[in-house]
Amino acid sequence: DQQVKQNSPSLSVQEGRISILNCDYTNSMFDYFLWYKKYPAEGPTFLISISSIKDKNEDGRFTVFLNKSAKHLSLHIVPSQPGDSAVYFCAASAEGQGAQKLVFGQGTRLTINP
Amino acid sequence: NAGVMQNPRHLVRRRGQEARLRCSPMKGHSHVYWYRQLPEEGLKFMVYLQKENIIDESGMPKERFSAEFPKEGPSILRIQQVVRGDSAAYFCASSPTTYEQYFGPGTRLTVT
Repeated sequence: DQQVKQNSPSLSVQEGRISILNCDYTNSMFDYFLWYKKYPAEGPTFLISISSIKDKNEDGRFTVFLNKSAKHLSLHIVPSQPGDSAVYFCAASAEGQGAQKLVFGQGTRLTINP
Repeated sequence: NAGVMQNPRHLVRRRGQEARLRCSPMKGHSHVYWYRQLPEEGLKFMVYLQKENIIDESGMPKERFSAEFPKEGPSILRIQQVVRGDSAAYFCASSPTTYEQYFGPGTRLTVT
């Protein structure tokens, strides 16, 4: 039962353009969402998060949008840079279910082309 | 402020041996989580601990796996009688009291 899904295993974007990574979830109890970036042989690095009471959160080049009715969130990176090439994981948690454990999607491999 | 520390980074064990993975959380963080990542998959929650307490172990296999976070020292994930299917990357994360979890570099376990 995959509660958090990232349906695009990979994405290729030109440097300087916008990268849009998508994530869908099924559990309506999720109330907090996070995006992590992961390089090979390293641990995930926290990027940005959003609470379910908001629909947008912005931090520099990164913006996360949440559409609760569609159970969908997206991460926008603009402008995309070569250093953004990595695997991006969407994660969700539900305070009432299991004390903040994170449920991860399968990841999307982003490649930024020069 | 040092990040989450995990050791060893790489661990090779023969089938039937024991594996011990250690995790030191970030300074000031009292919540520790363990996750496992199989090849080409996302991270899967295993266990959530606070000092001397297991809060949620719903993701832990029922047999051979155990975890602890003692009053002093690092958190330990212990796998007894390892099998080939235990080969994976094991990540530890810590957090203060907020939702954001900060991950260590992981331990890559290979069972031969």
